[in-house]
Amino acid sequence: EPEVTQTPSHQVTQMGQEVILRCVPISNHLYFYWYRQILGQKVEFLVSFYNNEISEKSEIFDDQFSVERPDGSNFTLKIRSTKLEDSAMYFCASSPGLAGGLDIQYFGAGTRLSVL
Amino acid sequence: AQTVTQSQPEMSVQEAETVTLSCTYDTSENNYYLFWYKQPPSRQMILVIRQEAYKQQNATENRFSVNFQKAAKSFSLKISDSQLGDTAMYFCAFMKYSNMLTFGGGTRLMVKP
Repeated sequence: EPEVTQTPSHQVTQMGQEVILRCVPISNHLYFYWYRQILGQKVEFLVSFYNNEISEKSEIFDDQFSVERPDGSNFTLKIRSTKLEDSAMYFCASSPGLAGGLDIQYFGAGTRLSVL
Repeated sequence: AQTVTQSQPEMSVQEAETVTLSCTYDTSENNYYLFWYKQPPSRQMILVIRQEAYKQQNATENRFSVNFQKAAKSFSLKISDSQLGDTAMYFCAFMKYSNMLTFGGGTRLMVKP
């Protein structure tokens, strides 16, 4: 069964460094998403991406964040200058993009980002 | 803004027994979707069951069923004949037509042999 894959599973970085989290969505899916979960808190929506542009973003997704689909298979989340409070589990998801119907999101296993 | 609340941080159930996980939500929307996702340890979230708000009939998927009470804004998950493989974190989630999921805090379910 097709899966959303995320790499790496655990990323450790120093405060102030740039980090790129990588995701390979399910082939033929059209919508892509990033969510994050700070330890002990709820899973929170960050951004959705469709047709090579951001379709929706939350207040969390400020100027230090960016997303990109650099080729036909990868979807990345870049954090320009990491802060301690960026430490969290980051989940990528994709959905088929069904017009007029329920669009189910499929999740990856997540990347745990630790900012030291 | 929508909020989703899961009031049971942890639950346990004996194998083969039935367990119900609670979820309430708050929204001013009339049309929306509700979901239960399961996250086994160190694995990705998997969709367990979904409910369209305009449907009065409760959704059922094999051993999993929901009790959807739209007026009360309640969406509980019932797992019948619990199996060891049901041990996981369960998330209730809300989605209006924007594709943005709003999650509850999760319920950690332990199925005991």
